[in-house]
Amino acid sequence: DGGITQSPKYLFRKEGQNVTLSCEQNLNHDAMYWYRQDPGQGLRLIYYSQIVNDFQKGDIAEGYSVSREKKESFPLTVTSAQKNPTAFYLCASSIGSFSGANVLTFGAGSRLTVL
Amino acid sequence: EDQVTQSPEALRLQEGESSSLNCSYTVSGLRGLFWYRQDPGKGPEFLFTLYSAGEEKEKERLKATLTKKESFLHITAPKPEDSATYLCAVQPPRGGSNYKLTFGKGTLLTVNP
Repeated sequence: DGGITQSPKYLFRKEGQNVTLSCEQNLNHDAMYWYRQDPGQGLRLIYYSQIVNDFQKGDIAEGYSVSREKKESFPLTVTSAQKNPTAFYLCASSIGSFSGANVLTFGAGSRLTVL
Repeated sequence: EDQVTQSPEALRLQEGESSSLNCSYTVSGLRGLFWYRQDPGKGPEFLFTLYSAGEEKEKERLKATLTKKESFLHITAPKPEDSATYLCAVQPPRGGSNYKLTFGKGTLLTVNP
């Protein structure tokens, strides 16, 4: 079955460490996204990529970095510059359209906790 | 700035008690409005896309409707398995980034047996 795989599901980080969250999709989607979800807040866009080797900052990109070297993969690195990284991170993908509806398919999420 | 407001924040129903969730938005020239369902500790699951005022979509006990300023998710005779957080998102009009959806904070629905 096609879908999005995020790993790890749970991750613990010490302050000052960088961590990388994995996101892989086999839906043949062009566009991929990273969202952050905090209790009582809507999903907030961190980064998105419309196509391989290209990505744009979302609304809360500070302290995060991404790469898009393959169509199937869009890893997110949470750097030590991110002051409040404890959150639930969601990866998503979509067919990608400049004019049509942009329906997102989400992964199961990764929960990052800073110790 | 685009605003999406969902109400109520939480709703508790008895099994079989029908009700509606609201999603109001300030975007002009909406290109699309989406409803998602999210179970605890999981990623959101797509339910509906609505494009224009007057449009309706149905799936089992759920029906989504759209006006020029808001969308409703009607739940008819809900069952405990309908318990989840329901998220609304809007897609900016032409000229805005097609990839930057704005999400509401969600409505937590609990259906008691």
